[in-house]
Amino acid sequence: EPEVTQTPSHQVTQMGQEVILRCVPISNHLYFYWYRQILGQKVEFLVSFYNNEISEKSEIFDDQFSVERPDGSNFTLKIRSTKLEDSAMYFCASQRSNTGELFFGEGSRLTVL
Amino acid sequence: ILNVEQSPQSLHVQEGDSTNFTCSFPSSNFYALHWYRWETAKSPEALFVMTLNGDEKKKGRISATLNTKEGYSYLYIKGSQPEDSATYLCASRMTTDSWGKLQFGAGTQVVVTP
Repeated sequence: EPEVTQTPSHQVTQMGQEVILRCVPISNHLYFYWYRQILGQKVEFLVSFYNNEISEKSEIFDDQFSVERPDGSNFTLKIRSTKLEDSAMYFCASQRSNTGELFFGEGSRLTVL
Repeated sequence: ILNVEQSPQSLHVQEGDSTNFTCSFPSSNFYALHWYRWETAKSPEALFVMTLNGDEKKKGRISATLNTKEGYSYLYIKGSQPEDSATYLCASRMTTDSWGKLQFGAGTQVVVTP
């Protein structure tokens, strides 16, 4: 069964460093998302991406964050200068139609020291 | 209600027993309600996407109902099995939001003991 894959599964980084989280969505999906869950909190929306551009972003998704779909298969989330509060589990999700369910990856755990 | 809330936070069920739990969501500007099942160390897996008031959906022993006027949904597990142990997340999408922008509840953690 097709699935969304994410790498790395866990990354530890120093505050101020750049981090790139990678995702391979399901191949015939058109809508892509990043969500995150800070430990003990709810899963929260970061950004949606369609037709090679951002559709909507949350207040969390400031200038330090960016997304890219460089080659038609990978979908990346970059955090330019990580802060302690960026420590979270980051989930990539994709969607075939804009009314259907989201398919999530297993997440990338980011720990900022 | 401004946020998506789930109750209870956790529940323990004996194998074979049936159980249910609640998701409350903002009823104004409602578009859709999603239910996901999330096992530890795995990805959240979609159970249902519901849009119509009074809608009822079923997948095996799991079913869900939706009341959009009062802003709640129930998830039912009939004859719970140990493999039903997971966190069940509901998430609401509003008409004012883009397609996959969901507001999640904190989840109900279900533990089924043999």
